[in-house]
Amino acid sequence: GEDVEQSLFLSVREGDSSVINCTYTDSSSTYLYWYKQEPGAGLQLLTYIFSNMDMKQDQRLTVLLNKKDKHLSLRIADTQTGDSAIYFCAVDSWGKFQFGAGTQVVVTP
Amino acid sequence: DAGVIQSPRHEVTEMGQEVTLRCKPISGHDYLFWYRQTMMRGLELLIYFNNNVPIDDSGMPEDRFSAKMPNASFSTLKIQPSEPRDSAVYFCASSLQYGPGYNEQFFGPGTRLTVL
Repeated sequence: GEDVEQSLFLSVREGDSSVINCTYTDSSSTYLYWYKQEPGAGLQLLTYIFSNMDMKQDQRLTVLLNKKDKHLSLRIADTQTGDSAIYFCAVDSWGKFQFGAGTQVVVTP
Repeated sequence: DAGVIQSPRHEVTEMGQEVTLRCKPISGHDYLFWYRQTMMRGLELLIYFNNNVPIDDSGMPEDRFSAKMPNASFSTLKIQPSEPRDSAVYFCASSLQYGPGYNEQFFGPGTRLTVL
């Protein structure tokens, strides 16, 4: 299987919370990242977490890390239409920087 | 800094033609990456350079693809001859560091390539 896996699609209603999940295989990964790609644009770093942390909060964004299960999640509170984008999980894995396939988030009114 | 600059933003060409994509990384960044994004395969790393030297080109799909970095401020990705299956969005990215440890990659806006 892939070193970094994500679900491909998420639909959420405006105002609700979104949760995007990611699993990875390299337990030695030290930094784990979330990138956002808006339509017609390149990827942009949204947030990251260091592996000695379980949680990191940044305004509407909450990153949760479960090292035992090698599971990373991104929660977006009060999701807005401007949050519609593709979200990529990325980790430093097996000596390389690996991106997941991306989760397309569609926010409906 | 203007960020990573790519040109052209869109390229439409016919099968068999040569295509050259260009990238200017952020000044001071020692690493440069070329990625390809398609619906079927997601985001794939094609090749990356460190201090203008190609380090890992294992992602380059075929000999039709080649990449160069003649100096710290310019890189090209060339496809010759191009085929319809090369149609994708090609991203260039740069970073200060790579590998274990914190490293943020900065992406350009991409070149959307269509091969007819």
